[in-house]
Amino acid sequence: DTGVSQNPRHKITKRGQNVTFRCDPISEHNRLYWYRQTLGQGPEFLTYFQNEAQLEKSRLLSDRFSAERPKGSFSTLEIQRTEQGDSAMYLCASSSMDGGYEQFFGPGTRLTVL
Amino acid sequence: GQNIDQPTEMTATEGAIVQINCTYQTSGFNGLFWYQQHAGEAPTFLSYNVLDGLEEKGRFSSFLSRSKGYSYLLLKELQMKDSASYLCAVKSNAGNMLTFGGGTRLMVKP
Repeated sequence: DTGVSQNPRHKITKRGQNVTFRCDPISEHNRLYWYRQTLGQGPEFLTYFQNEAQLEKSRLLSDRFSAERPKGSFSTLEIQRTEQGDSAMYLCASSSMDGGYEQFFGPGTRLTVL
Repeated sequence: GQNIDQPTEMTATEGAIVQINCTYQTSGFNGLFWYQQHAGEAPTFLSYNVLDGLEEKGRFSSFLSRSKGYSYLLLKELQMKDSASYLCAVKSNAGNMLTFGGGTRLMVKP
C-alpha cells in the first residue's frame, strides 16, 4: 500500500446529476477525512470517520452531500443534484489513531459541473 | 471558530532563504501543521508544531509561538522545485479536522 488513492481522478457531470467519489485510505489508518479545495484556496474540511463511525458531519456543505464508510475501510462521498458551485477538487486524507498526527492526502478527484 | 492568515504570494531567488508567516485565532489549539502543495497535486506534510519553539528538518524549519498565535515556515537554500503553495493548518482540540489557511504561493526565480 503506497498511499491514499481516490477514484475517479476527474469527473465531468451535468448540473442536476448525482456523483459519487471513492477513497481508499492507507490500510492501517482508522481515521479518514474529506476536504474540498477550490482554486487558490486551502482545503476546507467536510467530514471525518473513525473506523466506520462518522464523528463530524456538521461541516458538510448542504444536505446534498453525504459520506459513508460502511466497513471502516474505503469511503464514498456523494453529491446529489450537483450545482455549478460544487466544481472543486475533493481531497481525501487518512491518519492513524495510535500516536500518529499527520494526515496523508490522496491525489483528489476534480469535479467539473457543467 | 478559527481564522488563519498567511500571505497570498511570495517571490524569492534560488539559493536564498524565505520565511512564510502564519497567524491564527482559534477556540482551541492542538497543533499547527505546514503542508506543501504543487499545482494539481495533493498536499504533502512538511512539519508539525504543538509546543513553542523551532523544529528543524533539513532545509525546512518551522516555528511556533502559542501565546502570539504565530508560526513561520523557513525555507533555506531555495531550489526551483520549492515553487509551490505552502499551507498553514491548525488542529483544534475539539476534533481531528484541520483548518487551513488560504495558502502562500511561493515562486522561486533563478
